[in-house]
Amino acid sequence: GQNIDQPTEMTATEGAIVQINCTYQTSGFNGLFWYQQHAGEAPTFLSYNVLDGLEEKGRFSSFLSRSKGYSYLLLKELQMKDSASYLCAFMDSNYQLIWGAGTKLIIKP
Amino acid sequence: GAVVSQHPSRVICKSGTSVKIECRSLDFQATTMFWYRQFPKQSLMLMATSNEGSKATYEQGVEKDKFLINHASLTLSTLTVTSAHPEDSSFYICSATLSRTDSSYEQYFGPGTRLTVT
Repeated sequence: GQNIDQPTEMTATEGAIVQINCTYQTSGFNGLFWYQQHAGEAPTFLSYNVLDGLEEKGRFSSFLSRSKGYSYLLLKELQMKDSASYLCAFMDSNYQLIWGAGTKLIIKP
Repeated sequence: GAVVSQHPSRVICKSGTSVKIECRSLDFQATTMFWYRQFPKQSLMLMATSNEGSKATYEQGVEKDKFLINHASLTLSTLTVTSAHPEDSSFYICSATLSRTDSSYEQYFGPGTRLTVT
């Protein structure tokens, strides 16, 4: 079967670093996406990983381990505007997106 | 948890034909549904916002006469791609909004529909 899991909510402090984990199970895999979504807005794309390793984009980095069915999104130098929901999703062998429920990240001053 | 389904999951059609995609909220009533399209390795692109019983609100650059949206009930919205062309080939994703009594809301995504126009 297929499933994907991420924590429901996380809290971090402004200026700190936070890592949001995502684990998944699937027989077919065509990449893993991370999205950011602010309340009332459409999700915005953050990253796409299809090969193992770490990809860095400014303050955000995403890591993938296909053998472990594991990914994380790393946010550095947290800002208040980073308070949002973060969605991970993998694309299966049929190119369908299987979505996690999202992690609500709360940033405190 | 709240579940959103889409049908069909994949469709191949010939250029010039029309294709209808259904989006259903299975265990909740959705006040608002969104339609997105996504090209490979790119972000979701919001196409339109659909509220039950009213006309959809289209994003800039999205042709409302080409992408017909009908939101007939609180659990069903349909997107019809009319006179499809190969450039319409994409991954179409819907999402449905669940509003809670505390004024917060959550947005649940469907699994997507891959449209290929030949």
